[in-house]
Amino acid sequence: GAGVSQSPSNKVTEKGKDVELRCDPISGHTALYWYRQSLGQGLEFLIYFQGNSAPDKSGLPSDRFSAERTGGSVSTLTIQRTQQEDSAVYLCASSLAPNDNYGYTFGSGTRLTVV
Amino acid sequence: DAKTTQPPSMDCAEGRAANLPCNHSTISGNEYVYWYRQIHSQGPQYIIHGLKNNETNEMASLIITEDRKSSTLILPHATLRDTAVYYCIVRKTGGFKTIFGAGTRLFVKA
Repeated sequence: GAGVSQSPSNKVTEKGKDVELRCDPISGHTALYWYRQSLGQGLEFLIYFQGNSAPDKSGLPSDRFSAERTGGSVSTLTIQRTQQEDSAVYLCASSLAPNDNYGYTFGSGTRLTVV
Repeated sequence: DAKTTQPPSMDCAEGRAANLPCNHSTISGNEYVYWYRQIHSQGPQYIIHGLKNNETNEMASLIITEDRKSSTLILPHATLRDTAVYYCIVRKTGGFKTIFGAGTRLFVKA
C-alpha cells in the first residue's frame, strides 16, 4: 500500500484480556518499528525488526509485551493480561533499511483503552 | 545516540518564519540530525535530515552550525496547519532505532 497501515484504529478492552495490534508496513521496507505514546507524552520505543535479524526488544516494558514479524512484512504486537497503564496510542513505522538515512513513515496508530 | 535539547514550546505568527532551535552538543561525527513533527492525533511525519551541510526541501530548511552542536529548523511561511510538536533527533549512520525526546510544541497563531 501507499502508507503504513495499522489495525484496528481503536480498541477498547477489559483489564486482564489479551490484545493483538497489527501493522502493515510499506511494501519493500525492511525495517519496522513499534512505539507507544501515552496521553500527552512523547514517543516510547518498544521494538525494532530488520529483515531476518533478531529483533531489538530493548524497549518492551514487560514480558506481557511481545511482537512478531512474519515473512519480513506484517507485524503483530501482542499485549497479554492488559493493565490500565497499557492504555496508549501504539504507533508502527517502517523504513527502507535501518542505515539508509531516510526517515521513518509512521502509521496513524492504534488507540488502546483498557477499562 | 546523542541527546537533544529543545524548548518545550514556541509561538509563531501565521505567515512568518518559524525558527525551531535544537542543541545537540554531544553529537558525534557519524550522527545525523533529523526532524519530525506530530500533528495532533496523527503519527509523526518525517521533515528533513542532514549531516553537516544545510538542507532544504519542500517543507523546511535545516541549518546546522559549523561545530554541529546545534541546529535550527526553519518553516519559511508558517501556516495554522504547521501547529504541531516538532522533534529534533540525532541518529548514528547505521543506527537502528530512533529515540524521540519531548520536542517543541509550536503554536502558529492567526
